[in-house]
Amino acid sequence: QKEVEQNSGPLSVPEGAIASLNCTYSDRGSQSFFWYRQYSGKSPELIMSIYSNGDKEDGRFTAQLNKASQYVSLLIRDSQPSDSATYLCAVKLGSTLGRLYFGRGTQLTVWP
Amino acid sequence: DAGVIQSPRHEVTEMGQEVTLRCKPISGHDYLFWYRQTMMRGLELLIYFNNNVPIDDSGMPEDRFSAKMPNASFSTLKIQPSEPRDSAVYFCASSKTSGGDREQFFGPGTRLTVL
Repeated sequence: QKEVEQNSGPLSVPEGAIASLNCTYSDRGSQSFFWYRQYSGKSPELIMSIYSNGDKEDGRFTAQLNKASQYVSLLIRDSQPSDSATYLCAVKLGSTLGRLYFGRGTQLTVWP
Repeated sequence: DAGVIQSPRHEVTEMGQEVTLRCKPISGHDYLFWYRQTMMRGLELLIYFNNNVPIDDSGMPEDRFSAKMPNASFSTLKIQPSEPRDSAVYFCASSKTSGGDREQFFGPGTRLTVL
């Protein structure tokens, strides 16, 4: 089992819909969780971080963390075509110093 | 503040040549990471440094790859000799330990093409 796994997609949603991106991780001791967005030809850009169980909202983005289920998700409400990108889940595993483990990413397309 | 700086942004070279990629981390960051990204393998961690010391180089694919960090503001990734399968986008990222956050900030990347 990989340290961090994402539903590979691609995911396609219409404009205005909710996009749901999912990620599971292997280490129960993990403490820090991040979502990065990567546009085609660009570098990954941090959009959300979450450290405690529950939901964290930032504008149209909501990160959800469930440590018991070792699951973190990203919801994008009122999806826009500009949200079309690859979304990378990253986890700081409990046993590591400094290093993040990245999932393979989920490609999201929002069509008008 | 300036972000992570990488150079060159694009590099085209011929098989067998030496390639050197450069990175300047964000000032005050004590971790520096080198990644490689391809469609087939996604984002792979090659090596990372803490306070200029290499911590884990298990991702370096083979002896043709080497990385150095002579000081807190500069790192290089060298490929010698280069091969076509090394073609990829190479990212440098940095982070800091203070404050508990481990978020990494990525540079713009170097797109390497080996002919």
